[in-house]
Amino acid sequence: KNQVEQSPQSLIILEGKNCTLQCNYTVSPFSNLRWYKQDTGRGPVSLTIMTFSENTKSNGRYTATLDADTKQSSLHITASQLSDSASYICVVSASQAGTALIFGKGTTLSVSS
Amino acid sequence: GAVVSQHPSWVICKSGTSVKIECRSLDFQATTMFWYRQFPKQSLMLMATSNEGSKATYEQGVEKDKFLINHASLTLSTLTVTSAHPEDSSFYICSARVWTGPSNYGYTFGSGTRLTVV
Repeated sequence: KNQVEQSPQSLIILEGKNCTLQCNYTVSPFSNLRWYKQDTGRGPVSLTIMTFSENTKSNGRYTATLDADTKQSSLHITASQLSDSASYICVVSASQAGTALIFGKGTTLSVSS
Repeated sequence: GAVVSQHPSWVICKSGTSVKIECRSLDFQATTMFWYRQFPKQSLMLMATSNEGSKATYEQGVEKDKFLINHASLTLSTLTVTSAHPEDSSFYICSARVWTGPSNYGYTFGSGTRLTVV
């Protein structure tokens, strides 16, 4: 069964600190993996997208990694800011055409001052 | 970049009434749009896929007569919740596939609609 699991479910960190969110997936055949940021009451916004051959992708203070062998991905946030408080969702495309998206439940990050 | 505008952002309606949610692609043509439903602290659940000019494809368990989807143009898709009931209260999000190259594409999401049925 195609699944995407994220951990931790929620996380609280102090402003300025770094954090890493995890995503494990059992999706086959794998097409690509995306990380989205979803603010409360808003739609998801794309942070990164990685294909099978990519190991890392950065977007400002966000750096995503992908290990296609172990089917694991991480999202590292550097020097967190209050505005980083949101839900971070890992999404995996499940077919070669990439038409089916499998969503994780997300990690809720709270950055406090 | 590609923007999808979703309206309304929130709506309250009485049980038994119908509510229409609109999603417009502002600066690109969206041949394919997706409609999702999201409950608190849950992941997005795909309800249906709509292709311009054809009937929508609904996911298993989604009532097509209750959730009417129309994708009559390349820039507009609508979701109508008919005879709404309190259990239909949820966060509805649309998404459009955006082609960035001959074989590359991404997904742009609308800002979501919070539906509350009282």
